[in-house]
Amino acid sequence: IAGITQAPTSQILAAGRRMTLRCTQDMRHNAMYWYRQDLGLGLRLIHYSNTAGTTGKGEVPDGYSVSRANTDDFPLTLASAVPSQTSVYFCASSPGLNTEAFFGQGTRLTVV
Amino acid sequence: AQSVSQHNHHVILSEAASLELGCNYSYGGTVNLFWYVQYPGQHLQLLLKYFSGDPLVKGIKGFEAEFIKSKFSFNLRKPSVQWSDTAEYFCAVSVKTSYDKVIFGPGTSLSVIP
Repeated sequence: IAGITQAPTSQILAAGRRMTLRCTQDMRHNAMYWYRQDLGLGLRLIHYSNTAGTTGKGEVPDGYSVSRANTDDFPLTLASAVPSQTSVYFCASSPGLNTEAFFGQGTRLTVV
Repeated sequence: AQSVSQHNHHVILSEAASLELGCNYSYGGTVNLFWYVQYPGQHLQLLLKYFSGDPLVKGIKGFEAEFIKSKFSFNLRKPSVQWSDTAEYFCAVSVKTSYDKVIFGPGTSLSVIP
């Protein structure tokens, strides 16, 4: 079934640890995005990539890094997790500019 | 700076009641507009979108939205809600020329009582 797969679905992480959230899409979309969802704040863009090999910063990039080695994969790394990074993380993709986004099921991350 | 506001944080309706969720944005340029829905425990799904043309757009499940450019608004409506419409609704705005300028509103939680 075509779509976006995120892993893990949930994780409890000790502060200071490194963590990579995985995201894979099989729709051959050019653009991919990482959002965090926090109560009362909606979704905020962390990083994006408009095509393989290119990444850019969103609204809240600090503490996060991404890579886009190929079209399908867009991992998000927390180099040294902090409690304020406790959130639900959504990966999304879109065919390109001026198109809607398709979302993964989300990863619930708790940093303790 | 771009921003999106949604008028209500939580709305409670009885089945068959009419729904209108407000969304306003602040940005002076050309934008695309979206409403997404998130059912409990699920990911966001597109309800409807506006890129250009007829400002009244129809989406899935009987939802519609009207873009009023002069008011910077994109309100979501449904004439008769069902219990299955219980969900979180997000308005989003994207700048036509930029991948990174996609702003979501804070969301409105809709509870429909049978």
